[in-house]
Amino acid sequence: EPEVTQTPSHQVTQMGQEVILRCVPISNHLYFYWYRQILGQKVEFLVSFYNNEISEKSEIFDDQFSVERPDGSNFTLKIRSTKLEDSAMYFCASKGLKETQYFGPGTRLLVL
Amino acid sequence: AQSVAQPEDQVNVAEGNPLTVKCTYSVSGNPYLFWYVQYPNRGLQFLLKYITGDNLVKGSYGFEAEFNKSQTSFHLKKPSALVSDSALYFCAVRDTTSGTYKYIFGTGTRLKVLA
Repeated sequence: EPEVTQTPSHQVTQMGQEVILRCVPISNHLYFYWYRQILGQKVEFLVSFYNNEISEKSEIFDDQFSVERPDGSNFTLKIRSTKLEDSAMYFCASKGLKETQYFGPGTRLLVL
Repeated sequence: AQSVAQPEDQVNVAEGNPLTVKCTYSVSGNPYLFWYVQYPNRGLQFLLKYITGDNLVKGSYGFEAEFNKSQTSFHLKKPSALVSDSALYFCAVRDTTSGTYKYIFGTGTRLKVLA
């Protein structure tokens, strides 16, 4: 069964550093998403991406964040200058024509 | 604005007993409703969804949920709980009339099934 994959599984970085989180969505899916979850709490929407552009973003997704689909398979989330409060689990999700988002296993980001 | 409420932080149930995990929602239009399960240190795993049609939806691992429009609820149920059902459960909604494709998640309910 196809699945969403994410790398790395864990990332530790220093405050102020840039990080790139990578996702490979399910191959025939068209809609892509990033969510984050802080310490096993609520899952929060960050951004959605369709047709090579951002279709929707939350107030969390400020200028420090960007997304890209550089090569038709990867979908990346970049945080330019990480803050302590960016420490969280980041989930990528993808959706095809059917109404179900499939989530990856997540990247645990720790900002020191 | 869309919102989802899961009023119980934790639900404890004895193995073999029926379980219910509650979810209520608020949307301006018609909702699409979802349940996901999260095991420790894992991603979100899709359980079931309500899009349209029969209000009783059956999903993975013997779970089902009933869409109740008048009560704006979508409670998750299982007739006989297993210890392996112990996990964090999230309800999510998408408002189909607002033009958004994002899911709004509840705060999660931790289910503990006791042997």
